[in-house]
Amino acid sequence: AQKITQTQPGMFVQEKEAVTLDCTYDTSDQSYGLFWYKQPSSGEMIFLIYQGSYDEQNATEGRYSLNFQKARKSANLVISASQLGDSAMYFCAMREVRSTGNQFYFGTGTSLTVIP
Amino acid sequence: DTGVSQDPRHKITKRGQNVTFRCDPISEHNRLYWYRQTLGQGPEFLTYFQNEAQLEKSRLLSDRFSAERPKGSFSTLEIQRTEQGDSAMYLCASSLSWAEQYFGPGTRLTVT
Repeated sequence: AQKITQTQPGMFVQEKEAVTLDCTYDTSDQSYGLFWYKQPSSGEMIFLIYQGSYDEQNATEGRYSLNFQKARKSANLVISASQLGDSAMYFCAMREVRSTGNQFYFGTGTSLTVIP
Repeated sequence: DTGVSQDPRHKITKRGQNVTFRCDPISEHNRLYWYRQTLGQGPEFLTYFQNEAQLEKSRLLSDRFSAERPKGSFSTLEIQRTEQGDSAMYLCASSLSWAEQYFGPGTRLTVT
């Protein structure tokens, strides 16, 4: 089974609007971390946001927030007030503490295009 | 601090040749990771170092792949007898804690 599933290969959003990128995960560990990365066309992976499985509040970093629904095993990324520079690939990733503590599992990514 | 650097940025090689890539992590980062990313996919974990110790290797890392981090600072990834299927972006990342990871720009390998 896939550890991370991103079901939206491509998304479009109007500039200044908010957009949600979906991510579901599969783990039997109680302790794990969820991450989102941005990969522009230049290729470098840029860390955006982190959510620990025991964190009670949703993580926020500037215009990025992570909508963490533990029971549903989802960790959606919300980007508010989209900017043209947000156009990129976005990857959701997970790290399990116990079973595979040193491995990050990445999804297949969502390509976001911001329309002026 | 200049971030994670990787060298070379691009490598074209003929099938059967050996190649070596270098990664310089952010200074004082004791954790170092190697990943492979093919077109349209997310990064796939290859191996992990904590200081100079290689603590984990993916099953993706065949016998033709070897990685070292001799002094706990820079790391090298060598691919012997390259195959066309090895063509990919090879990414290095480093971190100081469990809950973070900072990536380098990657080395794009093309095997002809």
